[in-house]
Amino acid sequence: SQQGEEDPQALSIQEGENATMNCSYKTSINNLQWYRQNSGRGLVHLILIRSNEREKHSGRLRVTLDTSKKSSSLLITASRAADTASYFCATVQTGANNLFFGTGTRLTVIP
Amino acid sequence: ETGVTQTPRHLVMGMTNKKSLKCEQHLGHNAMYWYKQSAKKPLELMFVYNFKEQTENNSVPSRFSPECPNSSHLFLHLHTLQPEDSALYLCASSMEPSVSETQYFGPGTRLLVL
Repeated sequence: SQQGEEDPQALSIQEGENATMNCSYKTSINNLQWYRQNSGRGLVHLILIRSNEREKHSGRLRVTLDTSKKSSSLLITASRAADTASYFCATVQTGANNLFFGTGTRLTVIP
Repeated sequence: ETGVTQTPRHLVMGMTNKKSLKCEQHLGHNAMYWYKQSAKKPLELMFVYNFKEQTENNSVPSRFSPECPNSSHLFLHLHTLQPEDSALYLCASSMEPSVSETQYFGPGTRLLVL
């Protein structure tokens, strides 16, 4: 299937450390998006990277996209306890009108 | 607040009940979406509405019936559900009628089917 797969499934770090999450997918895409979800709540859009982009920054977030490897990474620098949440990548397959989400990475930042 | 509201936030219903979920967006967006989030499964897109017209139905069982009376409101009518339909149902909207664009999600309705 096209669903992205995040790695690792769970990540626990100390406040101030950097957190890196990876996403792999299977077919060509228009873009890849990262979302964040606090427990039992709606998703919040973090960043969108298009297939012709390789890197994008937004505040403490850095996203890379390698279309040759069909993978993306999300880096959160100088993590805070408030960053504790689940992070999902979502891909839009070329020519399709569907957004495929992965199962997410559960990030815990310990104060 | 993302500008997308959902009611109710929690719902418990029996398999013979009929209930409706409501979503409202205050963002002036043209597209609205229903998603289902089950435990340990990827978020699943159920329906897409662009300018009040349904453009996607991802093989959703007929016991789920969407309704979009205008571009700001979206309903999901539920009847004769099964326990495996218990999940978090999320509504989202986007300015452009394309899943490629940024979507704004509501807080979700936590549904429990007994």
